Amino acid sequence: DAGVTQSPTHLIKTRGQQVTLRCSPKSGHDTVSWYQQALGQGPQFIFQYYEEEERQRGNFPDRFSGHQFPNYSSELNVNALLLGDSALYLCASSSVGWQGYGYTFGSGTRLTVV
Amino acid sequence: SQELEQSPQSLIVQEGKNLTINCTSSKTLYGLYWYKQKYGEGLIFLMMLQKGGEEKSHEKITAKLDEKKQQSSLHITASQPSHAGIYLCGADRWNTGKLIFGQGTTLQVKP
Repeated sequence: DAGVTQSPTHLIKTRGQQVTLRCSPKSGHDTVSWYQQALGQGPQFIFQYYEEEERQRGNFPDRFSGHQFPNYSSELNVNALLLGDSALYLCASSSVGWQGYGYTFGSGTRLTVV
Repeated sequence: SQELEQSPQSLIVQEGKNLTINCTSSKTLYGLYWYKQKYGEGLIFLMMLQKGGEEKSHEKITAKLDEKKQQSSLHITASQPSHAGIYLCGADRWNTGKLIFGQGTTLQVKP
């Protein structure tokens, strides 16, 4: 059973460019959340997608946008990249169960903005 | 300030020693998660605690959630080099699927 798959694993972009990161959720999961983890910090919630809609959003600017497809996979788009966007981007998939959410994280995409 | 505070921020222990990592919140938690992360990699789920007073164990790692559901501890018995990494506590305050995390505790285990 495949877990959460993220691509690419590493990426180098120039300031001002745009980037798209991809995530395939764990089989049976229908909700995808994205997190940004700066070096030495805990992950910060960006947004969550369920039923192809953004359900929750953290404190991130509109440069960060996303999409969820009918097969539950998701994309994270970042426009007008800044040096400060350099981070590990984590995708987590989940589904609501009686025990609460069970989250499975991918290995992340390391984005470096130069 | 962080909604979840972890202590200590870093820890170096000799192999075979016991250690404890704490995670404190100023508000009641619905669910408290513990994850382990190798540098630059994804998060590996360790345990989830929901009920006040709950305690769970997996191999040599034990996690507890206090009665008021505002503090959790992670205890490792007889530490091994394989325990090295970053330990993160995360909370889903309202069971909405949005996790907030502590800043992490970096553990080094010296052989």
